[in-house]
Amino acid sequence: GDSVTQMEGPVTLSEEAFLTINCTYTATGYPSLFWYVQYPGEGLQLLLKATKADDKGSNKGFEATYRKETTSFHLEKGSVQVSDSAVYFCALSDQDQAGTALIFGKGTTLSVSS
Amino acid sequence: DAGVTQSPTHLIKTRGQQVTLRCSPKSGHDTVSWYQQALGQGPQFIFQYYEEEERQRGNFPDRFSGHQFPNYSSELNVNALLLGDSALYLCASSLDAGRGETQYFGPGTRLLVL
Repeated sequence: GDSVTQMEGPVTLSEEAFLTINCTYTATGYPSLFWYVQYPGEGLQLLLKATKADDKGSNKGFEATYRKETTSFHLEKGSVQVSDSAVYFCALSDQDQAGTALIFGKGTTLSVSS
Repeated sequence: DAGVTQSPTHLIKTRGQQVTLRCSPKSGHDTVSWYQQALGQGPQFIFQYYEEEERQRGNFPDRFSGHQFPNYSSELNVNALLLGDSALYLCASSLDAGRGETQYFGPGTRLLVL
C-alpha cells in the first residue's frame, strides 16, 4: 500500500543553519504531496504542497520539489529560526483512491536554538 | 472566516464507554475527514465523508463510525472504548475538487481512556 517515510528525528540546529528533512514515498498512482507543520499543542497547518512531478512548493522560506524519479519530496530551508521549532509531517494523497485521504509519515521534530 | 472547529477539546472516558466527537468544517467546505494521532506518531486516516456518505475508510474497526449532516458538520463515534483509543482526534475539511486540494485541520480533541 501507499506509504511515506521521513527521516528520524529529532533534528537540532542553531539559528540560521540550513535545514533538510528527507521524505520518500510509495504510491500506486500519481499522488499529490504535502508538508504539514504542527506546533506544540496545536493541530496541523499546511506548509506547502505540490501536485505533479517537478512542481516546487514554497512558503515562509521553506521549499520542496516533487521528484518522481526518486519518489522524494525533501523539505529545505536556507536559514532556520527559533520559531520554526515544531514537528514536520510529509504526506501524500493518492489519486487511485476513491477519496482524498492523506497518508502521513511519522513526523520529524525540529528544535532550533538561538 | 472561522476555520475548522472541534468539540470538546479534551475528554476522559473509561474502558467500554462510548464517545462522540464533533467537527464543523471551514466555511464552503463539503468534505470532512477524521484522523487519529497517537502520541509521537503521524496522523492515521480513519474515514472521509462527502455528501453525507462515507466515501473512504482507513484500517479502523467497526467500533469507529461517523456521520455527516446536511450542513457538512460531522461526528465521530467510538464504541466500546479501549485504552489504545487514547489519542488526539483530528478533523480536517476540504473542498471536493481533486487530489491536490488542501485539507484544513482543526485543533483536535484529546481523548484519554482510563
